Amino acid sequence: AQRVTQPEKLLSVFKGAPVELKCNYSYSGSPELFWYVQYSRQRLQLLLRHISRESIKGFTADLNKGETSFHLKKPFAQEEDSAMYYCALSYNNNDMRFGAGTRLTVKP
Amino acid sequence: DAMVIQNPRYQVTQFGKPVTLSCSQTLNHNVMYWYQQKSSQAPKLLFHYYDKDFNNEADTPDNFQSRRPNTSFCFLDIRSPGLGDAAMYLCATSLNVEDTQYFGPGTRLTVL
Repeated sequence: AQRVTQPEKLLSVFKGAPVELKCNYSYSGSPELFWYVQYSRQRLQLLLRHISRESIKGFTADLNKGETSFHLKKPFAQEEDSAMYYCALSYNNNDMRFGAGTRLTVKP
Repeated sequence: DAMVIQNPRYQVTQFGKPVTLSCSQTLNHNVMYWYQQKSSQAPKLLFHYYDKDFNNEADTPDNFQSRRPNTSFCFLDIRSPGLGDAAMYLCATSLNVEDTQYFGPGTRLTVL
């Protein structure tokens, strides 16, 4: 069965520290993976998708098929990065599975 | 051990024919959300219930309605589906607003 696991419900780092939000998936086919972000009192937003291999707001994520991971990284966290982050897997013509989310807090 | 269940997973309806999508949860969460997701876009929040209080997003069309008869169930009713309503509909729950949202697997709606 398709599954997305975000092992950390809460993650706290200091401003300027590197941050990595972990995401592991299980899917036997070719996955399409996304990271979504929800800032306080705002709508869920697409942060990035693996096929575009882009960097948004300093975040990057590399798909590692060997480890079935799609960890989200940023070298220097900022306070405004504090938010809820969801990893999601798209499969079977755009069916979706969301992870349980990680709440990132960046402390001053 | 499914926590947020959506039925059916795939729904086909005809243009203008009312359709109801179902969501249930075993988490006893206060908040239930309905999102619409179109291809390559982020899920768009349609509305949410906090307990029995209904909260509609300002840009949700009147064509979309919702019911929450009890804590466990929440329904999305589309009164007159148009071709533009074909999308993935995601249900999510959270203990309280701004808590972690737990998403269901979604229902893919096709409008013929």
